[in-house]
Amino acid sequence: ETGVTQTPRHLVMGMTNKKSLKCEQHLGHNAMYWYKQSAKKPLELMFVYNFKEQTENNSVPSRFSPECPNSSHLFLHLHTLQPEDSALYLCASSRGASGNTGELFFGEGSRLTVL
Amino acid sequence: KQEVTQIPAALSVPEGENLVLNCSFTDSAIYNLQWFRQDPGKGLTSLLLIQSSQREQTSGRLNASLDKSSGRSTLYIAASQPGDSATYLCAVSRGGGADGLTFGKGTHLIIQP
Repeated sequence: ETGVTQTPRHLVMGMTNKKSLKCEQHLGHNAMYWYKQSAKKPLELMFVYNFKEQTENNSVPSRFSPECPNSSHLFLHLHTLQPEDSALYLCASSRGASGNTGELFFGEGSRLTVL
Repeated sequence: KQEVTQIPAALSVPEGENLVLNCSFTDSAIYNLQWFRQDPGKGLTSLLLIQSSQREQTSGRLNASLDKSSGRSTLYIAASQPGDSATYLCAVSRGGGADGLTFGKGTHLIIQP
C-alpha cells in the first residue's frame, strides 16, 4: 500500500466512448502526476499538477484531458481514444515543494484497452 | 533532453547469486535518482532514493550507488531470492519540486529457484 489509489484497475472502452480514470492520494502531497507505460517503452510523463495547477503537459493529445480539483485527487478524462492508446496509466504523487527529496509514490495503475 | 539507459535489458540467474544492475543517464545535472521495482501488471514500488549529493544508499540486501559526474548508478542485490524476480526501473529527477522523473526501460530480472 503506497497511499496512492487508482480506479478502475482495468478498463475496456470503444473508440467513441468517454471514460475517466481516477487517482487519490492519502499522503498529504501537493504534486500529482500521470504517466503512460506502453510495452517496450520507458514510462512517459504526461501531466504534472502542483498545488492544483498544471505545470507540465508533455505534448499529450487533447483526447486526454486531466483534471485536478484539489491536491488529493487527479482525474484523466478519456474521449475518442485510439487503439494505440492502450497502455497502463500510472498516477504518482510527491510533496511538490522545492527543497524536498522529490521522491515519487506510485499507484497500482489502470490498465486501459481501447477496442 | 535527459535519456536513461539500463543494462542489461534482461537477466536470469540462479538463486543465491549476487548481481548488479546498471543505469546510465546523459545529463549529470540531476537532483536525485530513484530505483523502483515493478511486478507484472502492477504499479511501481520505490526501493531506494539517492540524492545528488550522496554516493550510495542501502536497504536490506539492496545497495544503490551513484556517480553523478560520470552519469552512472548501480543497484546491487545480495543473495538473490526467487521473490526478487521483477522488473527494476531506474529514474532521475531534475528538481526536488514537481519535476517528475525520466525513466529507463528497465531490467527484467528472473531468479531461478
